[in-house]
Amino acid sequence: DIVMTQSPESLAVSLGERATINCKSSQSVLYSSDNRNYLAWYQHKPGQPPKVLIYWASTRESGVPDRFSGSGSGTDFTLTISSLQAEDVAVYYCQQYYSSPHTFGQGTKLEIK
Amino acid sequence: QVQLQESGPGLVKPSQTLSLTCTVSGGSLSSGSAYWSWIRQPAGKGLEWIGRIYAGGNTNYNPSLQSRATISVDTSKNQFSLKLTSVTAADTAVYYCARYSSSSGRYFDIWGRGALVTVSS
Repeated sequence: DIVMTQSPESLAVSLGERATINCKSSQSVLYSSDNRNYLAWYQHKPGQPPKVLIYWASTRESGVPDRFSGSGSGTDFTLTISSLQAEDVAVYYCQQYYSSPHTFGQGTKLEIK
Repeated sequence: QVQLQESGPGLVKPSQTLSLTCTVSGGSLSSGSAYWSWIRQPAGKGLEWIGRIYAGGNTNYNPSLQSRATISVDTSKNQFSLKLTSVTAADTAVYYCARYSSSSGRYFDIWGRGALVTVSS
């Protein structure tokens, strides 16, 4: 199994400031045949299902605010929220879909400072 | 648009079988390149993918649960189901059904709202 490790486990950021969450995979999730990183980011709020924000490591899902961005390749990835809003308080997960079983990071809890 | 809804007993006794059904609305379970998964989240823990099924019946499971999990599909009812045998308290979790499309990427783009299942006597 590919192990996904996120850091930090929790993060407190002031409103309007930048939030950065990291995700590292135990092996590369870059598929050489299509040069795509099989990595997604989800936002999970209490009482709601997870919502995909980013796929292919850097493609924003339709309707997701452009303050959310994803970067990285191979084994190291980052989710950045450029200007934190109150509604961004949630747990964020990375997930690899390069190989079965699909695996998720342990989550990063984002709070307002 | 496609929506998913989990249903099933919220309380299961230890050693018994957990059974959940996911109803697909707003679209056909058989259409396109969609794969249908079960994912769970124990309280205070992360997300664990259980397995998936294609409309034709092809399945794939997480090796950690493969011996106990069975996913099946009923295309006439536009539903797919999960059975998990010999449950223990460790199987207490919110269970989600979710979809991914192999044509657009195997990330989960649609999720049900989740069903809490508690394993307790």
